[in-house]
Amino acid sequence: NAGVMQNPRHLVRRRGQEARLRCSPMKGHSHVYWYRQLPEEGLKFMVYLQKENIIDESGMPKERFSAEFPKEGPSILRIQQVVRGDSAAYFCASSPETAANYYGYTFGSGTRLTVV
Amino acid sequence: QQQVKQSPQSLIVQKGGISIINCAYENTAFDYFPWYQQFPGKGPALLIAIRPDVSEKKEGRFTISFNKSAKQFSLHIMDSQPGDSATYFCAAGDGYALNFGKGTSLLVT
Repeated sequence: NAGVMQNPRHLVRRRGQEARLRCSPMKGHSHVYWYRQLPEEGLKFMVYLQKENIIDESGMPKERFSAEFPKEGPSILRIQQVVRGDSAAYFCASSPETAANYYGYTFGSGTRLTVV
Repeated sequence: QQQVKQSPQSLIVQKGGISIINCAYENTAFDYFPWYQQFPGKGPALLIAIRPDVSEKKEGRFTISFNKSAKQFSLHIMDSQPGDSATYFCAAGDGYALNFGKGTSLLVT
């Protein structure tokens, strides 16, 4: 039973480019959460999604960031026109319908984004 | 603002010793207090967690102590081993999102 799969593991983008981060939840999990970890910091909640719905995006910057979780396929975190301050590790967690909160969280290994 | 404050930032403990990491929170609505262990290049992995109606929880060498009135909780690692060397995060949640501390880098020598 594969865990939460995130890809790519490492992503390098030049300033102004777009970054697309993908997260495939665990089998049977229908809730996805994105967190960002800046250097020397703890993880910060960004967005909570269910299939085809954004439930809470209160932690996501208002500009340049967007997230989706389509009916088919992985969840995507998209960062447009990246800046150096976007350099961070981005983690995705998923949980099942029966434990749709942090009690049922499983984290992926993350995507390390470096903006040069 | 940091909703969960964690200390120390780094910790060096000799093999066989006790590692203690402390966290404090302000929001009394928090109802779940997990500790996560993270190795370099990996995602956080749940180590142990506690609910506020319990003052202590023990799983193997890991113990959470919880003080509701002081709004503090701590992780004790007994008989620390070199394999415990990692970054430890406390967290607190009141719904579906977790608020993490900044982490403690533990080195067991």
